[in-house]
Order: sequence, then C-alpha cells, then structure tokens
Amino acid sequence: TQLLEQSPQFLSIQEGENLTVYCNSSSVFSSLQWYRQEPGEGPVLLVTVVTGGEVKKLKRLTFQFGDARKDSSLHITAAQPGDTGLYLCAGTTNAGKSTFGDGTTLTVKP
Amino acid sequence: DTEVTQTPKHLVMGMTNKKSLKCEQHMGHRAMYWYKQKAKKPPELMFVYSYEKLSINESVPSRFSPECPNSSLLNLHLHALQPEDSALYLCASSHHTGRNTEAFFGQGTRLTVV
Repeated sequence: TQLLEQSPQFLSIQEGENLTVYCNSSSVFSSLQWYRQEPGEGPVLLVTVVTGGEVKKLKRLTFQFGDARKDSSLHITAAQPGDTGLYLCAGTTNAGKSTFGDGTTLTVKP
Repeated sequence: DTEVTQTPKHLVMGMTNKKSLKCEQHMGHRAMYWYKQKAKKPPELMFVYSYEKLSINESVPSRFSPECPNSSLLNLHLHALQPEDSALYLCASSHHTGRNTEAFFGQGTRLTVV
C-alpha cells in the first residue's frame, strides 16, 4: 500500500499556464517536504510544511498543508520551462517514518 | 557549506568487482542516508545512520555494505552486484532523524553493473 499518493503522475503544459500537484494520504504526517529533481541529479528541497493549514510561498510556487495534515498541494503560477522536472513529496509520520510519493513529472513547453 | 558531495558521479562495474561509493557533508548533520533510485521512480530508502550508528536497514541484500567512519562521511561498499542493481544511488543528510526531517541530497552516483 502506497503511503503517499501523488497526482497527476505526468503533466505537460505550455509556458505561462498554471498547475497544481497533489499529495494525499490516509496517514497523518508531522511534516511534509516538497523536492524538485532534474534528470541525473539529486532531489533539491523546496519547502517543509509542519502546521495544519499552513501556506508557504516561494516566488511562483505556493505550498499548502491540509488542515488534518494528511495532504498537501503545490501550485505553480505562470510555469516556465525552467520548472520542468520531477516533483516529489515526502512525509514523515509521528512515528518518525519517512516516505516519498511516486512523483509528478512536469514538462513545461516554451 | 550546504552541500552533500558524492563520488564518483558515474561508475561502471562488473559483477565480480568490488567498489565503494563515498558521501561527505560538513553541515554538522548527525543523520545520513543511502537511497536507490530507478528511472522515473521515487528514491527508495536503503540505510539510515544516526550518530554514526546504523539505525535502519530496509532489508537490503548483503552485497551492499554501508559504513560510517565519522559524522561527516558515509560509504557504501559494493560487491558481487547484479545488473538489476544499476540505478542512481543517492546520499542524503539531515540534522537528525525524527518528525521534521529535512533531508539534503547529493547529486548521486549513476551506477551501471555489466
């Protein structure tokens, strides 16, 4: 059973469009991280959310943690080709176990 | 210094070879991790070291042998690997293990077993 479900799995959009990636679970997480990974490179940490209902912004990226701390979303405004990559959410449960979602492969076409 | 450095970046080895992957961080982190990642899949946890002691082994075959010589270094010794072990091997570190773990990843070692 996959602890963290990410959707969509693949997303291909035009430059300038907006998009949202979702990360859902039936488990409660004490914290959740979002990473972005380019081919052949390691994941790069974008943000950590820890409080239910928390919203964090990083330039054109908006991250939200669900009130019940079971889900999270990543919204990108006016996507650019440089946003292309694999987006991964990773959650840590109260028991200290961390797991990654399956990832969302985003392609932004010029 | 906020980097996790992995060497080598690429490695090709035969099934009878012995090789080692190396990882180094100077952020004062006390938890270090090895992950294996196949193409278009998320990283899979292999080992966790906490305060230089092995705390988690995710049922990894014995042909993979981790070592933590000190708080800044993490090695992964490889012996008698199979072609299906070809993958991107990622090292990561964090302040500690626990509830709010922010992991910082290295660039990975692309391993090909022939």
